[in-house]
Amino acid sequence: DGGITQSPKYLFRKEGQNVTLSCEQNLNHDAMYWYRQDPGQGLRLIYYSQIVNDFQKGDIAEGYSVSREKKESFPLTVTSAQKNPTAFYLCASSNSRGMFETQYFGPGTRLLVL
Amino acid sequence: AQKVTQAQTEISVVEKEDVTLDCVYETRDTTYYLFWYKQPPSGELVFLIRRNSFDEQNEISGRYSWNFQKSTSSFNFTITASQVVDSAVYFCALSEQAAGNKLTFGGGTRVLVKP
Repeated sequence: DGGITQSPKYLFRKEGQNVTLSCEQNLNHDAMYWYRQDPGQGLRLIYYSQIVNDFQKGDIAEGYSVSREKKESFPLTVTSAQKNPTAFYLCASSNSRGMFETQYFGPGTRLLVL
Repeated sequence: AQKVTQAQTEISVVEKEDVTLDCVYETRDTTYYLFWYKQPPSGELVFLIRRNSFDEQNEISGRYSWNFQKSTSSFNFTITASQVVDSAVYFCALSEQAAGNKLTFGGGTRVLVKP
């Protein structure tokens, strides 16, 4: 079954703690993305990667970090510098680095601060 | 200024009614793509359609149809004979040539279909 998996489904963070959200895809897609969704709002781009070992900041990168060591994996770390991390996090991937490719999304991770 | 505006935050209909979701976008690019995604209560975004700026033909897929009008910068989505399973949040998104493959999302419209 091809698709995008995200884990965990729910994640709890304590004050001052870094947490890492997992995103894996077996679609052989080159590009991967991380979005944040706050209640009642649209998605905002955090980071994206068009090729292994390269990534760019999106619109709201502050307090987040990523790595892209493997084509199929794009983990997101929410650092203690992110003061309001409670949100729904969605990972996506697209077929190539080309323009206008459709992005396909994973099931999401809901992050809550204790 | 918002690049993608979905003015309707929530629409409530009774099953079998038609429902139209509005999407108005703003871009200076001549080459761009528009998308619609569905987000059911489970949270995952499901891709529905992609339309490029040079193709203004309306599209129908089962009970779904889309009306793209460049003259009014709109890409509206209609669900015909709505069903309870259509209850979800629907997002319109824009991908501009100047922004690479990045998507700009509207705020979404929540559709509630009552039995």
